[in-house]
Amino acid sequence: KQEVTQIPAALSVPEGENLVLNCSFTDSAIYNLQWFRQDPGKGLTSLLLIQSSQREQTSGRLNASLDKSSGRSTLYIAASQPGDSATYLCAVTTQGGSEKLVFGKGMKLTVNP
Amino acid sequence: SAVISQKPSRDICQRGTSLTIQCQVDSQVTMMFWYRQQPGQSLTLIATANQGSEATYESGFVIDKFPISRPNLTFSTLTVSNMSPEDSSIYLCSVAGGQRGYTFGSGTRLTVV
Repeated sequence: KQEVTQIPAALSVPEGENLVLNCSFTDSAIYNLQWFRQDPGKGLTSLLLIQSSQREQTSGRLNASLDKSSGRSTLYIAASQPGDSATYLCAVTTQGGSEKLVFGKGMKLTVNP
Repeated sequence: SAVISQKPSRDICQRGTSLTIQCQVDSQVTMMFWYRQQPGQSLTLIATANQGSEATYESGFVIDKFPISRPNLTFSTLTVSNMSPEDSSIYLCSVAGGQRGYTFGSGTRLTVV
């Protein structure tokens, strides 16, 4: 059974710091991995999608990497801003099965001005 | 990627009543997914809805409690039946976007009193 872990559960940093968010998964046979952002009480916004054949994806200040063999992904946020404050969720889709996502518990990020 | 309109965005309901949540997608999709997010927790898949067939429920979720309709390729509803305070959660629908990953509705924040 696929399990996704995100550590730490929460992080508070001053504005301007470069951040690394970690995600690990137990079954390396994934189809893809996706990072989401969730604002309090809201739905999910997709940030980056990495296919199993890819090593990284970039969008603006965000960069996500994937190491399938070790079961790890990182989300790098450059020059963090207060508007980046949200919960960040990592989710994977396992190969050969249904298309459902398996989520980590998320990491609550607070960027202080 | 697909755009999903989900409603209601929030509701406060009396215990013992039922609430139906609607999701409308701006394009035809084969599968739609319904998730629950309990307070402080990550997302858990309730069921997968295919047009023209019975929904497939995950372990711990049953059709009598969470009946789902999927009348066409752009629309689905989830009903939360005979509600209790333990059903207070955010409910989200989602579709798979192939190379673009998954898209989520804006969520329905349900409070049962």
